[in-house]
Amino acid sequence: GQNIDQPTEMTATEGAIVQINCTYQTSGFNGLFWYQQHAGEAPTFLSYNVLDGLEEKGRFSSFLSRSKGYSYLLLKELQMKDSASYLCAVRDPFRGATNKLIFGTGTLLAVQP
Amino acid sequence: EAGVTQFPSHSVIEKGQTVTLRCDPISGHDNLYWYRRVMGKEIKFLLHFVKESKQDESGMPNNRFLAERTGGTYSTLKVQPAELEDSGVYFCASSYRGNTEAFFGQGTRLTVV
Repeated sequence: GQNIDQPTEMTATEGAIVQINCTYQTSGFNGLFWYQQHAGEAPTFLSYNVLDGLEEKGRFSSFLSRSKGYSYLLLKELQMKDSASYLCAVRDPFRGATNKLIFGTGTLLAVQP
Repeated sequence: EAGVTQFPSHSVIEKGQTVTLRCDPISGHDNLYWYRRVMGKEIKFLLHFVKESKQDESGMPNNRFLAERTGGTYSTLKVQPAELEDSGVYFCASSYRGNTEAFFGQGTRLTVV
């Protein structure tokens, strides 16, 4: 089966750095996504990793280690508006190039002043 | 450019009734996906359209759910008859190609009482 694990909740302070971890156990690998979702809104794409290493995009970075089945999302210079749920998802390994995604339950991040 | 839009944003129906959810993808996006999030659980894939054809409907829970995409534009998801366990948030996503970024709608919150 396919399984994605990430912490349920995290709290961090405005201006700080936070790392949200995600581990996955899947029968294959075809890419990993991070999405941000504010309450009542659409999930919005943050990052995509398919090769090992770090992808940086402004204040957000995402890291992947395929051998360890592990990824993290790093948020720097936290702002209050970063309070949201962060969803880790992997592309279904049996469906090739599609957006059939397997999601984790999401990590609810609360940024405090 | 308009994003993925879903109607209605909320729906409350009684057990046994019928509900139809609608998704308008981003114009030009051939790939359309339906997902569902049941309370406390992760977002789960329901099905994938390429234009008007069902590419993958492996996530549809049972035959009470019927998805259509006539003409390859907007899609509907009908639940008939609705059961209590169908309550949740139904998300639609679209992408230009199978492996390009998927854009999500804000979801329809369905409550079956």
